[in-house]
Amino acid sequence: DIQMTQSPSSLSASVGDRVTITCRASQSISSYLNWYQQKPGKAPKLLIYAASSLQSGVPSRFSGSGSGTDFTLTISSLQPEDFATYYCQQSYSTPGAFGQGTKLEIK
Amino acid sequence: EVQLVESGGGLVKPGGSLRLSCAASGFTFSSYSMNWVRQAPGKGLEWVSSISSSSSYIYYADSVKGRFTISRDNAKNSLYLQMNSLRAEDTAVYYCARETVEVINWFDPWGQGTLVTVSS
Repeated sequence: DIQMTQSPSSLSASVGDRVTITCRASQSISSYLNWYQQKPGKAPKLLIYAASSLQSGVPSRFSGSGSGTDFTLTISSLQPEDFATYYCQQSYSTPGAFGQGTKLEIK
Repeated sequence: EVQLVESGGGLVKPGGSLRLSCAASGFTFSSYSMNWVRQAPGKGLEWVSSISSSSSYIYYADSVKGRFTISRDNAKNSLYLQMNSLRAEDTAVYYCARETVEVINWFDPWGQGTLVTVSS
C-alpha cells in the first residue's frame, strides 16, 4: 500500500503569512493527489484535486503543486478562516490513503 | 444542492453490530462511486470502504475486511455500511463521501458524519 507523509504535523503562523505544507508519497503517484481542509467538528472539504487544480469556490490564495512523490499546498496570504487541519490523499491506487494531517494554528 | 446525510451511529458494545446509512440528494446517485471514511477521536482520516456506481467493484481497508459490508440502493439514493464484530478501535466519526471519477478521483462532497462509539 502507498503511504502518505505530511510535514510539518503542526504549524503556527500569522494572518497574512505565506504557508507551505508538504506531502510525500512512498512511491510515485503521478498527479493523483488531492488536498482537503477540515475545521473542528466539520467534515473535510476538497480544496485541490489532481495536485494543482483548484476546486470550484475555493479562494485563489490556495495552490497546489508537485508530481511523482513530492507535493506542496501553499496558502499565499493566510486569512483567519484558513486556520484548520489539512490532509493530502493519494488516489493512484486503492486504498486511497490520507496523510496524517497538518494542523495550522494561529501564532 | 448536493447533499449527503449520514445516520445510524450510536453506542454499541464490543462484538456488537450497527448499520450506517447515507442519504444522497441533489445529484444522480446511481452515476457515482461512494465511499466511507472514518476519523477516530483526535486522529486523522482513514479510508474504510468504497463501492462503484453499480456495485460491481467493492473495496475494504484491511482493518475492516471481513467485518464490514458496504452496499447501496440506487433506487433509494442510499449508501449503507453494515458493521459487525465491532471493536473499541472502530470508535470514530464515519463520513460518507461521493467519489468523482475522471482521470483522477477525488471525494466531494462529504456528509456531516455520524459518531460510532464502541464501549462496554
